[in-house]
Amino acid sequence: AQSVSQHNHHVILSEAASLELGCNYSYGGTVNLFWYVQYPGQHLQLLLKYFSGDPLVKGIKGFEAEFIKSKFSFNLRKPSVQWSDTAEYFCAVNAQRSNYQLIWGAGTKLIIKP
Amino acid sequence: EAGVAQSPRYKIIEKRQSVAFWCNPISGHATLYWYQQILGQGPKLLIQFQNNGVVDDSQLPKDRFSAERLKGVDSTLKIQPAKLEDSAVYLCASSSGQAPYEQYFGPGTRLTVT
Repeated sequence: AQSVSQHNHHVILSEAASLELGCNYSYGGTVNLFWYVQYPGQHLQLLLKYFSGDPLVKGIKGFEAEFIKSKFSFNLRKPSVQWSDTAEYFCAVNAQRSNYQLIWGAGTKLIIKP
Repeated sequence: EAGVAQSPRYKIIEKRQSVAFWCNPISGHATLYWYQQILGQGPKLLIQFQNNGVVDDSQLPKDRFSAERLKGVDSTLKIQPAKLEDSAVYLCASSSGQAPYEQYFGPGTRLTVT
């Protein structure tokens, strides 16, 4: 069965620290990859996506993610986090053979200390 | 462009009562999804519509949950009768049906069953 693993359920960082959130997927075929963010009290927003081309994709608010096909990974990065990045981050995958339904990771709660 | 609209934002009901949620997707989006999100978890797909037809309702508890999308635009999700374990956030999302089929989410309805 397809699955998405997010390695860290909770991450606490200080402002200006660098961030990397891990995401691995289990899916034997062509996939599209997404990171969504949910700020406190707000709805899920698309942070960035990959479906073809350059495996290093840039999203909103200075986030980027790198697709490494050989490792089935799509890690999210930000060089310097801000307090406003406190949120829950979800990695998700879809594919044609499953009607492009999103398979979700369990999420990572990120807390940035001011 | 306007985002996905949902109402109500909050609902408190007693067990065995019924409740209905409404969703208006982004204009022109053919695919509509209903999810259930329990605190600390990723969203769980309940039902997927393509226009006014059901693509997948395999995870919809059909003994108590029903959903419809008349005319291929707005959708309603109903629970009757509600159970305590139905307490969750109910999310609606829509997708344009073009690669990579990313989904855009509404603010959700937080349901509390007492």
